[in-house]
Amino acid sequence: DGGITQSPKYLFRKEGQNVTLSCEQNLNHDAMYWYRQDPGQGLRLIYYSQIVNDFQKGDIAEGYSVSREKKESFPLTVTSAQKNPTAFYLCASSMGGASYEQYFGPGTRLTVT
Amino acid sequence: GENVEQHPSTLSVQEGDSAVIKCTYSDSASNYFPWYKQELGKRPQLIIDIRSNVGEKKDQRIAVTLNKTAKHFSLHITETQPEDSAVYFCAALGNDMRFGAGTRLTVKP
Repeated sequence: DGGITQSPKYLFRKEGQNVTLSCEQNLNHDAMYWYRQDPGQGLRLIYYSQIVNDFQKGDIAEGYSVSREKKESFPLTVTSAQKNPTAFYLCASSMGGASYEQYFGPGTRLTVT
Repeated sequence: GENVEQHPSTLSVQEGDSAVIKCTYSDSASNYFPWYKQELGKRPQLIIDIRSNVGEKKDQRIAVTLNKTAKHFSLHITETQPEDSAVYFCAALGNDMRFGAGTRLTVKP
C-alpha cells in the first residue's frame, strides 16, 4: 500500500476556516488527482495535474484550490467557499494521463462543523 | 458532464455463486475501463482493467467484458468468497474521468 500517502487520516475544522489536505507520492508519477467521495455516489474529480506547475479543474472544483510545485506533492485546500466540505477525500496518481492505472492514497476524512 | 451508470447498487449472493456488475458509459472517447474494490474505510484497489481494443479479459475468478458499440462493460466474479464482500467501482477514462456510484457486494457464507 505504500507509494502514495495522505495526511491526516481524520481532520476536523470549524466552518469558515480553510484547510489543506496533504498528498505525497514517491512513485515518480507525472499525474496526480483529487477526488471527493460521498455516500452512495461515485468518485467525483475535483482537480488534476498532468505535470508540475500545471493543473486543471475537474467537475466540482468550486471552493477548492490546488498547487503542484513539486512532482511528488499535490496539496488540496478546501476553502470556506466550499458549501458542503464534509466528505472523504482521495488523492491518486498515475504514470501518465487518464488512460493509466491510478493508485489511490488512504484518504482523509474531513468533518466541518 | 457525462456519467457512468452502474448497476446494481447492492448485490447479495451466496458463497460460491457468481456476481455480475454492469456499467454503461456515454463518452465515446473513453478508452480505459478499470474496476476497483474498496473495503470499508480503505483506499480503492485496482482488481482488473480493460482497454478499448480488447473485448474480454480474465484473471483467475475475475473477468471483465467490454462492448464498445453498446458502450457497456461488466465485471464477473465467479466462485465468490466472503472476502469478496466490498464496494466495487467501475470507471470510464479517456478525455474525462468518470466513476460509477459503486456496488456493495455481500457474499453470505
